[in-house]
Amino acid sequence: DVKVTQSSRYLVKRTGEKVFLECVQDMDHENMFWYRQDPGLGLRLIYFSYDVKMKEKGDIPEGYSVSREKKERFSLILESASTNQTSMYLCASSLHREADTQYFGPGTRLTVL
Amino acid sequence: AQKITQTQPGMFVQEKEAVTLDCTYDTSDPSYGLFWYKQPSSGEMIFLIYQGSYDQQNATEGRYSLNFQKARKSANLVISASQLGDSAMYFCAMREGNTNAGKSTFGDGTTLTVKP
Repeated sequence: DVKVTQSSRYLVKRTGEKVFLECVQDMDHENMFWYRQDPGLGLRLIYFSYDVKMKEKGDIPEGYSVSREKKERFSLILESASTNQTSMYLCASSLHREADTQYFGPGTRLTVL
Repeated sequence: AQKITQTQPGMFVQEKEAVTLDCTYDTSDPSYGLFWYKQPSSGEMIFLIYQGSYDQQNATEGRYSLNFQKARKSANLVISASQLGDSAMYFCAMREGNTNAGKSTFGDGTTLTVKP
């Protein structure tokens, strides 16, 4: 079974703090994704990566950056957290470029005070 | 225009009955894929079923089937013999084309409640 793990289920940070959300997958997947989920807005893609050190902007990249130094790990970085970044963050991975099914982690509920 | 539309914010169904969750999509790409995911209250998104735009038959996975009507651009999820554990949020998603690294667009979701 594919396993996607995220470093925290719940996180509380203060405005202006730098925040790291970590995601690890154990099935040698090429693609990895970061989404945020907000009520009434569904899932919105922040960034994705299709290879080590490769990244592409999704629909809402502003205020975020990402890092993929190793194939299994994809990090989402909030350089200076703001209250409007309070959300549920979901990481996902898929096998390779042409593959379709994404496997999701359990999510991190981030609150920025 | 929204690419994925789920018009039912919430649905109720009696246990053991069938339920249909609606999804319409908008794309001009002849090659695309349609997915349904389930998100229980625990938060984890679970893949349920996939339909490719060139697939001739409707996809089926156990109690889940996808009613694919290409001309109407709809991809409704049918859950037969509902169970209490089916209570969750359900998302329809679409991947356009063969590129974009499998990038998908998600609908806003439908919350399904199964009544005993």
